[in-house]
Amino acid sequence: DTGVSQDPRHKITKRGQNVTFRCDPISEHNRLYWYRQTLGQGPEFLTYFQNEAQLEKSRLLSDRFSAERPKGSFSTLEIQRTEQGDSAMYLCASSDMDNNQPQHFGDGTRLSIL
Amino acid sequence: AQTVTQSQPEMSVQEAETVTLSCTYDTSESDYYLFWYKQPPSRQMILVIRQEAYKQQNATENRFSVNFQKAAKSFSLKISDSQLGDAAMYFCAYRPRSDGSEKLVFGKGTKLTVNP
Repeated sequence: DTGVSQDPRHKITKRGQNVTFRCDPISEHNRLYWYRQTLGQGPEFLTYFQNEAQLEKSRLLSDRFSAERPKGSFSTLEIQRTEQGDSAMYLCASSDMDNNQPQHFGDGTRLSIL
Repeated sequence: AQTVTQSQPEMSVQEAETVTLSCTYDTSESDYYLFWYKQPPSRQMILVIRQEAYKQQNATENRFSVNFQKAAKSFSLKISDSQLGDAAMYFCAYRPRSDGSEKLVFGKGTKLTVNP
């Protein structure tokens, strides 16, 4: 069990650029989640996959955001035309399909918009 | 909509002492999970303890225990014999068990400082 891995750890970009983050879940976990955490706040849910199917999306996930999990393993989160308000920590978590299992979090990707 | 409230933005405790972090939540569901997660500075969030709402017995994990009051919708975390490594942000979180949603709803967190 190598834990949830996120890449990169930190991304600095100019406003208007596109960015993509990657998450590799714990290998046997078929559920994968994305959250966003801004300074001084708790994480807020963005979206959730079970295997390759995106089953739930938050209203926070505007049309500039897209997430994929094409083969039911790793996932990517892309933000197009970044804005100042997108600056945040983006957290990925994974869990087993058993409802009793908790979500395990990665270290996160910190996005800074210049 | 479910909400989680942590009314203490910051708390401090002396090493070896006991501290209690508060959490209240609002839900119309009867079956759900409650969690406390710990987030050390610049490190990943880890699960501290979990409570299933249908269980009346309060969960315990070594020095960590909860006081779950379902009628009052209260879920506090007690840390006994506090250690320097306990210093972190602590987040209370809620997840319904049966409405098909898998998302965790988090509070804003409590920053715990442990003084030597």
